[in-house]
Amino acid sequence: GDSVTQMEGPVTLSEEACLTINCTYTATGYPSLFWYVQYPGEGLQLLLKATKADDKGSNKGFEATYRKETTSFHLEKGSVQVSDSAVYFCALIQGAQKLVFGQGTRLTINP
Amino acid sequence: DTGVSQDPRHKITKRGQNVTFRCDPISEHNRLYWYRQTLGQGPEFLTYFQNEAQLEKSRLLSDRFSAERPKGSFSTLEIQRTEQGDSAMYLCASSDRQGTGYTFGSGTRLTVV
Repeated sequence: GDSVTQMEGPVTLSEEACLTINCTYTATGYPSLFWYVQYPGEGLQLLLKATKADDKGSNKGFEATYRKETTSFHLEKGSVQVSDSAVYFCALIQGAQKLVFGQGTRLTINP
Repeated sequence: DTGVSQDPRHKITKRGQNVTFRCDPISEHNRLYWYRQTLGQGPEFLTYFQNEAQLEKSRLLSDRFSAERPKGSFSTLEIQRTEQGDSAMYLCASSDRQGTGYTFGSGTRLTVV
């Protein structure tokens, strides 16, 4: 079945550092891809998405590009802030609109 | 619209008891989904409804679990004879028929002692 594999965490960075969280997927067909963020004590929030190959999703300084040839959707940010500390989930969806999530990557940004 | 609401936020129950959770989706959404998230893992799909019809159930949904959406609006998830392995965050989400506006609630955290 479909699956998503994320870079294992936790990841700890200093403020203003560059961030990359790797995500690769296995799927039949052409899924849409997502990054969700979960802040402490809160639900999942959609961070960005891409619906077809070579699409770039972006939001709040985060970007991810749908790479069909490498089946990847890596999350990047040029300069992280303390407020970016959260758990990040890569996910895919196709067919019946059922999301398949990776295991999550906990990100901690130190001032 | 206040988004997707879940109640209660937290539930502690003794092993063997039954529990019921409620989800109120965004009013114009006709699809409603339940997911379960255990500590350190991503959410896993349990089941989904289109209006009042339950269209898919995961193998994770054992016969102790039952979900309903009687009038195509709110939904309930009941777990009978709870076990410690049921301890998790139960997330509800809703979307329109095309999957647009997929929105999660804050979840119900269940602890079975």
